[in-house]
Amino acid sequence: DQQVKQNSPSLSVQEGRISILNCDYTNSMFDYFLWYKKYPAEGPTFLISISSIKDKNEDGRFTVFLNKSAKHLSLHIVPSQPGDSAVYFCAASRTPGNTPLVFGKGTRLSVIA
Amino acid sequence: EAGVAQSPRYKIIEKRQSVAFWCNPISGHATLYWYQQILGQGPKLLIQFQNNGVVDDSQLPKDRFSAERLKGVDSTLKIQPAKLEDSAVYLCASSASGSSYNEQFFGPGTRLTVL
Repeated sequence: DQQVKQNSPSLSVQEGRISILNCDYTNSMFDYFLWYKKYPAEGPTFLISISSIKDKNEDGRFTVFLNKSAKHLSLHIVPSQPGDSAVYFCAASRTPGNTPLVFGKGTRLSVIA
Repeated sequence: EAGVAQSPRYKIIEKRQSVAFWCNPISGHATLYWYQQILGQGPKLLIQFQNNGVVDDSQLPKDRFSAERLKGVDSTLKIQPAKLEDSAVYLCASSASGSSYNEQFFGPGTRLTVL
């Protein structure tokens, strides 16, 4: 049972344009959501997160939006840069602090110069 | 600050052989996780330690997988005997106590190929 779903395996975007990566979840107990970025042969690195008490969190070029009623979140990258090309994982957890993350399958983003 | 260290980076074994992976978390991080990432999937939790105690091992195939975290610092994950379906990247992660957003720091992983 896939509790966190990333339905787009891949996405291609022109440099300078907006990248939008989507994520859906089924477990209404999830309270915290995180995005991780992964380059080949490296471990995932934390990018940005959001608590269920918020609907938006912004950090530089990265913004995460959360729609609790739809159980949907999205990551916006503006403007996209070639160095953003990587696999992006959406992850969720049920309680704050030191609990396991449940990951989606990832979306491979390619930013074309 | 040094990151999460893992070794070896790559391992190739035959089925039914044994293998062990090592992880050294970020200094001071009390919580340590082992995840398994099969090709095309997201990481899946195998086991979580808090200091040297097991918090969650519900998804660990205990008939062949074992893990320990002696002294609450570094950890080893062992597979004995290995099966073809164990081919995956094994990721170790750690997090600090009181992390309000549950940010976990991952090591580079060990890529295991079982032939």
